[in-house]
Amino acid sequence: EAGVVQSPRYKIIEKKQPVAFWCNPISGHNTLYWYRQNLGQGPELLIRYENEEAVDDSQLPKDRFSAERLKGVDSTLKIQPAELGDSAVYLCASSLGGDKNIQYFGAGTRLSVL
Amino acid sequence: QKEVEQNSGPLSVPEGAIASLNCTYSDRGSQSFFWYRQYSGKSPELIMSIYSNGDKEDGRFTAQLNKASQYVSLLIRDSQPSDSATYLCAVKGGFSGGYNKLIFGAGTRLAVHP
Repeated sequence: EAGVVQSPRYKIIEKKQPVAFWCNPISGHNTLYWYRQNLGQGPELLIRYENEEAVDDSQLPKDRFSAERLKGVDSTLKIQPAELGDSAVYLCASSLGGDKNIQYFGAGTRLSVL
Repeated sequence: QKEVEQNSGPLSVPEGAIASLNCTYSDRGSQSFFWYRQYSGKSPELIMSIYSNGDKEDGRFTAQLNKASQYVSLLIRDSQPSDSATYLCAVKGGFSGGYNKLIFGAGTRLAVHP
């Protein structure tokens, strides 16, 4: 069974440019998460989807970040415009849901903003 | 006070020894506890989950949970150089985060030397 697939793996952009990340969750997983992981830190939740509904986006910087999950499967996370401080690894995870659900992570996208 | 605290390390142990990793959390309502392993440049990989007080063993790994003291630990027996990685403690189901929000510590870096 395929795991969580993310693309691209690496992205280098100049500040003020837009960037988008894509995630395909494990088949059948209705819950999808986007995390940001800064160097030397643990992942921090940006947004959580239950099917196509964003149920927790309290940590998403809404002035420049946006996300969507059309049809409740694939998801994209966009930053526009990017700032130097956005350099991090962006991780997507998915789970079946439920109170003991296990989250499985994709390989992540390493973003460098110059 | 951080919600989930771990010693950043590095924790250095000789091959064959027991590695002991500790984690404390602040939200008394937390219900689920996880240990993820993250190799440098890779995504987090779940190695243990624990939901009840006491010990849970899986191969060379033992997770220990004490909700009264608000700590969870991970023991790795017969440590191998391949265990060298960052170990992330994650906590879910607290009053502040909600039952589906996973909060990570910053991780403890483990180095197993031959």
